[in-house]
Amino acid sequence: DADVTQTPRNRITKTGKRIMLECSQTKGHDRMYWYRQDPGLGLRLIYYSFDVKDINKGEISDGYSVSRQAQAKFSLSLESAIPNQTALYFCATSQGDRDHGEQFFGPGTRLTVL
Amino acid sequence: ILNVEQSPQSLHVQEGDSTNFTCSFPSSNFYALHWYRWETAKSPEALFVMTLNGDEKKKGRISATLNTKEGYSYLYIKGSQPEDSATYLCASQSNGNKLVFGAGTILRVKS
Repeated sequence: DADVTQTPRNRITKTGKRIMLECSQTKGHDRMYWYRQDPGLGLRLIYYSFDVKDINKGEISDGYSVSRQAQAKFSLSLESAIPNQTALYFCATSQGDRDHGEQFFGPGTRLTVL
Repeated sequence: ILNVEQSPQSLHVQEGDSTNFTCSFPSSNFYALHWYRWETAKSPEALFVMTLNGDEKKKGRISATLNTKEGYSYLYIKGSQPEDSATYLCASQSNGNKLVFGAGTILRVKS
């Protein structure tokens, strides 16, 4: 079984809809991250959480919100989806400063906003 | 926000060729440099985490070097194979465990 899972894997939605992407991990890591990937831009950090009570904005947080329901779960919400949020979304985890913050990624969620 | 640049953007080589690509990053407040390998439809996977100036790491036919004073890292692949085809991402880390990723180098190896 995968250590970091994401649901759904693919989603097509319409402009204005609220969407939630979910991430779960069995690695026991305290830190979790949400990134989006756009062609030619690499991975950009949306939000990150260093523990259940800690939530921080990343580079591109506008239009997104997150919830850290438990150590193992970190959800990303698009309150009112717009077409330029069409992208590949990755969740990642890390354990403190172990291995200098090496991150472990989920399989990604491909979101299309029409 | 750090600015991490990778070059070339894409690379096509023949099976058996050796190749290398570059990651440049701001050298101030450097903490670590990460290389990830990302195959299509899979998760990015860590190749190397490098911290010391002059460090060199190797995994099979893949190796990487690090120059923290001038802010660059090279990734080398010796005798490329079709299964090496992937996007290679580097990420710089200054503090706080946040990684700043480059746009990646897409490698395609033709058999």
